[in-house]
Parts: sequence; structure tokens; C-alpha cells
Amino acid sequence: ETGVTQTPRHLVMGMTNKKSLKCEQHLGHNAMYWYKQSAKKPLELMFVYNFKEQTENNSVPSRFSPECPNSSHLFLHLHTLQPEDSALYLCASSQRAGGLGTGELFFGEGSRLTVL
Amino acid sequence: SQQGEEDPQALSIQEGENATMNCSYKTSINNLQWYRQNSGRGLVHLILIRSNEREKHSGRLRVTLDTSKKSSSLLITASRAADTASYFCATDLNTDKLIFGTGTRLQVFP
Repeated sequence: ETGVTQTPRHLVMGMTNKKSLKCEQHLGHNAMYWYKQSAKKPLELMFVYNFKEQTENNSVPSRFSPECPNSSHLFLHLHTLQPEDSALYLCASSQRAGGLGTGELFFGEGSRLTVL
Repeated sequence: SQQGEEDPQALSIQEGENATMNCSYKTSINNLQWYRQNSGRGLVHLILIRSNEREKHSGRLRVTLDTSKKSSSLLITASRAADTASYFCATDLNTDKLIFGTGTRLQVFP
């Protein structure tokens, strides 16, 4: 138990569906992240939120829409995805101290997405 | 190519042997971190070494950092079957980005 909970753990959706991934952290951290992990590729940073403000969008297609209503919750809204978007989506949180970098990330177990 | 690259891509050893994984990176870093991932699960932080440190220990783990060569190594001593996992290095550029490498898949046979 890392203190970061992701739901659902598995999701199958068609290309025309709309779904959302949810992440909740119980660690009191001030930063949250979405990473994408595809087979045989490095983890790809998608979005970063610091104190609910998006500070990084790593050229992610608009069919992925993040939402961070507060420092404890992070969503990834999905619509009109492509089969190549099938991957493990990992949420993480950290306690950022100004000027000292990202620090240790605490990851959730991930949401395995399959797009048909 | 990406910021961090691990070597080797895969490693198979017997229980009791030591496992060494290497990571090379390209730009100056604030710190370097190592993570472990069991198949299909989330990543777990193992150790963080700052740019002004050269070596760090945690239990059976030993991490070294050579900023002049832009490289780091992770040594797992007296490996166990339970150490079977993928291991990733991640470089912190003192921005909002923690950039991960491609990982080393370690298989420890009983």
C-alpha cells in the first residue's frame, strides 16, 4: 500500500467511448503526475500538477484531458482514443520542496487500459 | 534518445549472486533515483542519490553516482528470487520532470 489509489485497475473501451481514470493520494503531497507505460518504451511523463495547477503538459494529444480538483485527487478523462493508446497509466504523487527537485515519487498500481 | 538508459536490458542470475545495473544520462541532474517494478504493478522507490553524493547504501542495495561520466550503478548483493523485477533509473533535472530510463529486467533463479 503506497498511499496512492488508482481506479479502475482495468478498463476496456471502444474508440468512441468516454471514460475517466481516477487517482487519489492520502499522503498530503502537493504534486501529482500522470505517466504512460507502453510495452518496450520508457515511462512517458504526461502531466504534472503542483498545488492543483498544471505545470507540465508533455505534448499530450487533446483526447487525454487531465483534471485536478484538489491536491489529493487527479483524473484523466479519455475520449475518442486510438488502439495505440492502450497502455498502463500510472499516477504518482510527491512532496516538492522548492529548489530541491521532484523528490521521491509514490506510484499507484496503475490502470491497465485497452482500446478496441 | 532518452535522458536515461539502463544497461543491460535484461539480466539473469542465480540466487546469492550479485546483480549490477548501470544507468547513463545526458544532462546535468539535481538527483538520480532508482525504482523497482514488479510485473504489471506500480513502481516503488528504492533510493535517491543527490548530485553531490558519490555512493549510497540501503540494506542490500548500493548506488554509485559519477557525475563526470554521467552514469550511475545499482548493485544488489546476495540476490533473492523475490528481487525478480524491472529496475529503472530516473533523473531529476530540478524541473517538474522526473525522466525514466527503459529499465533492466532482472530474473533471479532459485
